[in-house]
Amino acid sequence: ILNVEQSPQSLHVQEGDSTNFTCSFPSSNFYALHWYRWETAKSPEALFVMTLNGDEKKKGRISATLNTKEGYSYLYIKGSQPEDSATYLCAFCMEYGNKLVFGAGTILRVKS
Amino acid sequence: DGGITQSPKYLFRKEGQNVTLSCEQNLNHDAMYWYRQDPGQGLRLIYYSQIVNDFQKGDIAEGYSVSREKKESFPLTVTSAQKNPTAFYLCASSILGILQETQYFGPGTRLLVL
Repeated sequence: ILNVEQSPQSLHVQEGDSTNFTCSFPSSNFYALHWYRWETAKSPEALFVMTLNGDEKKKGRISATLNTKEGYSYLYIKGSQPEDSATYLCAFCMEYGNKLVFGAGTILRVKS
Repeated sequence: DGGITQSPKYLFRKEGQNVTLSCEQNLNHDAMYWYRQDPGQGLRLIYYSQIVNDFQKGDIAEGYSVSREKKESFPLTVTSAQKNPTAFYLCASSILGILQETQYFGPGTRLLVL
């Protein structure tokens, strides 16, 4: 059974704080790792799709790194803003797999 | 605007009743997916379709059925055989169904049992 773990489960930070969270996945037969942001009452939207060990992706104040050999990805948010409040989902897929396996998400709340 | 629409936003099901959740996309994507979300769990795949008139079961297909008669539409029926249907249902699409592709999600339908 494939297991994708996200930690922490939830996080409360002050506006301006930088923060990071983790997605852990099986390290064998890696194919791709997705990050999505899901704001309340909206649709999940894609942040990154990462496929190569050592990959780093950046979108504004949000960046992500990938370590396929040890089976983890970090998502970083620099200078958190209230509009960053959302649930951040990661999803893993295996080589020869037919689906994304999602973690339960990390809920981020940024207080102004 | 291109995107995915799901309707209704909320749906109530009585015991023994089949209900159908609508999912429409105008992105011209080949692949479409149905996921279920339960509290504290990751999204779980119910069914997916990579081409019109073809679909495959995901991890939790029991008690659900789908059809893909048109490229833009992928309705999900929750049958009376689904004993615990209360959940949030998300529809998604991607260009070709390759797992490196971004998936685009609809806003979801919350199904409640009366």
